[in-house]
Amino acid sequence: DARVTQTPRHKVTEMGQEVTMRCQPILGHNTVFWYRQTMMQGLELLAYFRNRAPLDDSGMPKDRFSAEMPDATLATLKIQPSEPRDSAVYFCASGLGQGTETQYFGPGTRLLVL
Amino acid sequence: QKEVEQDPGPLSVPEGAIVSLNCTYSNSAFQYFMWYRQYSRKGPELLMYTYSSGNKEDGRFTAQVDKSSKYISLFIRDSQPSDSATYLCAIDYNQGGKLIFGQGTELSVKP
Repeated sequence: DARVTQTPRHKVTEMGQEVTMRCQPILGHNTVFWYRQTMMQGLELLAYFRNRAPLDDSGMPKDRFSAEMPDATLATLKIQPSEPRDSAVYFCASGLGQGTETQYFGPGTRLLVL
Repeated sequence: QKEVEQDPGPLSVPEGAIVSLNCTYSNSAFQYFMWYRQYSRKGPELLMYTYSSGNKEDGRFTAQVDKSSKYISLFIRDSQPSDSATYLCAIDYNQGGKLIFGQGTELSVKP
């Protein structure tokens, strides 16, 4: 069945290193969301795209985070340089782009920055 | 004040109990309300979705919105151990997919 895929599933890195997370949305979905989940802050929207164009990235720290959609089947979230406070689970979700809609979440990337 | 507030629990109930999960929200203009369920180490999945006020029922689950008090609820009847998960309420901030989530309530249903 169709599902959102994310790679890597787990990542351990050292402070200062670049981290790239990838997401493949469900085929035919034109909206992609990036979320971060921590115990303290819960699930927070970082950025989202519709038809590959960024709609809102107000939740994303601009100095170190960047999100892109090189094509309709791939979304990336990069952190450079990474910091220990970036340790979290990062989720990608996709949807059909019909206003309020069901968002289908991937399994997440668990990031630990030492 | 956060836009959506939710008691994180944890909440532990015996099998068969009625569970009530609640959230409050800050802006009376919000119209779309959702409940997502998240099993341990998985991504959230949509459970129920309501528009404006009133109730919506789906099997053992009922979602309720009280716009006068800015309160949303999820009721689970005849709770099962398989209902053990974290339940997140969410509002659609701009009616265009920008979701704001509550903290999530961790529920454990004991056999």
